[in-house]
Amino acid sequence: AQKVTQAQTEISVVEKEDVTLDCVYETRDTTYYLFWYKQPPSGELVFLIRRNSFDEQNEISGRYSWNFQKSTSSFNFTITASQVVDSAVYFCAGRGGTYKYIFGTGTRLKVLA
Amino acid sequence: DAGITQSPRHKVTETGTPVTLRCHQTENHRYMYWYRQDPGHGLRLIHYSYGVKDTDKGEVSDGYSVSRSKTEDFLLTLESATSSQTSVYFCAISKGGQGANYGYTFGSGTRLTVV
Repeated sequence: AQKVTQAQTEISVVEKEDVTLDCVYETRDTTYYLFWYKQPPSGELVFLIRRNSFDEQNEISGRYSWNFQKSTSSFNFTITASQVVDSAVYFCAGRGGTYKYIFGTGTRLKVLA
Repeated sequence: DAGITQSPRHKVTETGTPVTLRCHQTENHRYMYWYRQDPGHGLRLIHYSYGVKDTDKGEVSDGYSVSRSKTEDFLLTLESATSSQTSVYFCAISKGGQGANYGYTFGSGTRLTVV
């Protein structure tokens, strides 16, 4: 069975610092789909990025970058030059079956001005 | 966006009463989901649907039932509400061919309090 673990409960950084959020996705499947979601203080859940097993390179979109290391099952998400608006809870998710995801418990990021 | 609406947004109910939450989408997507969010547990899947009248259980389905009689509506029913079901409930849809391959779009959530 698949498992998603986010060991970091809360992280605090000062604005403009880079921050990496960790996620471990354990699966025996050779095909995988991984996601990061953001939940700002307003409460909505926002899809950020996706990575699947066919992607071979680390990816970057604006201030976000992410990579998956299959040897360690680590799916990390980095925010470069953090801003106060990045303060939120971030959830990692992975495929937990044909039709569904499983989510980690979330990491609360606080970016201090 | 995907036009997904949850109702009600907030509800307080008494222990033992049945409660139905509604998720409505306007774009004819096949896959719909109900999750609950609790501190320390993240998001946990209650039930999901992969088509009209096609539903299946998630990891925390006890005490909940669902129905999907038409594509646009996915109803979650707490058969006899208990205090342990106090939570924030999120509905989600997936736009992809197979639900787990694409990102979800979530509704705004329903905050349910059982007293």
